[in-house]
Amino acid sequence: QVQLQQSGPGLVKPSETLSLTCTVSGVSMRTYYWDWIRQPPGKGLEWIGSIYYSGTASYDPSLKSRVTISIDKSKNQFSLMLTSVTAADTAMYYCASRWIGGGNQFDFWGQGTLLTVSS
Amino acid sequence: DIQMTQSPSSLSASVGDRVTITCRASQNINNYLNWYQQKPGKAPKLLMYAATSLQGGVPSRFSGSRSGTAFTLTISSLQPEDFATYYCQQTYGTPVTFGPGTKVDIK
Repeated sequence: QVQLQQSGPGLVKPSETLSLTCTVSGVSMRTYYWDWIRQPPGKGLEWIGSIYYSGTASYDPSLKSRVTISIDKSKNQFSLMLTSVTAADTAMYYCASRWIGGGNQFDFWGQGTLLTVSS
Repeated sequence: DIQMTQSPSSLSASVGDRVTITCRASQNINNYLNWYQQKPGKAPKLLMYAATSLQGGVPSRFSGSRSGTAFTLTISSLQPEDFATYYCQQTYGTPVTFGPGTKVDIK
């Protein structure tokens, strides 16, 4: 069973860079895609991007210029960096997994990290 | 991007009620439609995938169907633990997109 444990700060100042990490256990990182999804307060879910074991990443076009998702296979981790944050980036951030043999559904989720952008 | 809409945006129901939530895609997405349940303060939980397949461990009172670009999630007999917000998601196109959610609360 996949387990995802998120870590990272909950408060970032405007114009700074958000950095979150998701540690994977219980499964080989080769067999899943690894995703980041966010949810602004009181709103719906927004896909940010994903990465595969090979390092190939894809991003939502609206965030692509500010987002980098990376993978550290030696630590069984993948990470999200979001630059030049504003109040609009305040949200709960989730990491999630998609089995490579499935239909792209997010079958396992991290616990979530509430990120607040404020000075 | 493929747009997803859901109706209703909220509903009130009683334990034992049959509940139906509809999700519509802005274009054909075949069966690339998933349903998630989210409770306050928790991460979403996958309920159904590929429109009609029940995720392991999910009670059989949940079911899904498709008619063209309209998809339905049905709860045959609402239980206390089912009060939550439900989201549909399409994975046919990139980026994947979610519906705005349907909140099911207690009548």
